[in-house]
Amino acid sequence: DVKVTQSSRYLVKRTGEKVFLECVQDMDHENMFWYRQDPGLGLRLIYFSYDVKMKEKGDIPEGYSVSREKKERFSLILESASTNQTSMYLCASSSGQAESYEQYFGPGTRLTVT
Amino acid sequence: AQSVAQPEDQVNVAEGNPLTVKCTYSVSGNPYLFWYVQYPNRGLQFLLKYITGDNLVKGSYGFEAEFNKSQTSFHLKKPSALVSDSALYFCAVRDQNSGYSTLTFGKGTMLLVSP
Repeated sequence: DVKVTQSSRYLVKRTGEKVFLECVQDMDHENMFWYRQDPGLGLRLIYFSYDVKMKEKGDIPEGYSVSREKKERFSLILESASTNQTSMYLCASSSGQAESYEQYFGPGTRLTVT
Repeated sequence: AQSVAQPEDQVNVAEGNPLTVKCTYSVSGNPYLFWYVQYPNRGLQFLLKYITGDNLVKGSYGFEAEFNKSQTSFHLKKPSALVSDSALYFCAVRDQNSGYSTLTFGKGTMLLVSP
């Protein structure tokens, strides 16, 4: 089974802090994704990566950056946390093979910025 | 651009009755379609997908979905609902012509199964 792990289930940070969310997958997947989930808005893509050191902006990249130094690890960085970044953050990965486009998700990190 | 609509925020059904969760999509080419389920305070779990072939796709936990190209729909179904099926369900789409492996998700439908 694919396993995607996230470094924290719950996190509380102060406004202005730099926040790191870590994600690790164990299936040698090429693609990795960061989403945020908010009630009534569904999942919104922040950034994704299709290879080591490669990254692409998603729909809502403002206020975030990412890092992928190793294939199995994809980090989301909030440079200066703000209260409107309080949300559930979900990491996912998928294979680069044809017709294997389903994404596998981690358990999520619920971030509260006070 | 690709998009997904889940027209119902919530679906209520009694245990033992059939259930349907609706999904319609819009893509410029042919679609790849997916259903996911999310239990409280958990990540999304993959249920099933349509890539090509038979329009009726079977997945995990007794769920199935029917691809209807003319109606651009991919409704999730189950013949007999269980209370444990109560969860948030997401439909997702990817355009086959898309160069990246990104999916577009609907806003989700809450399924409540009453005993």
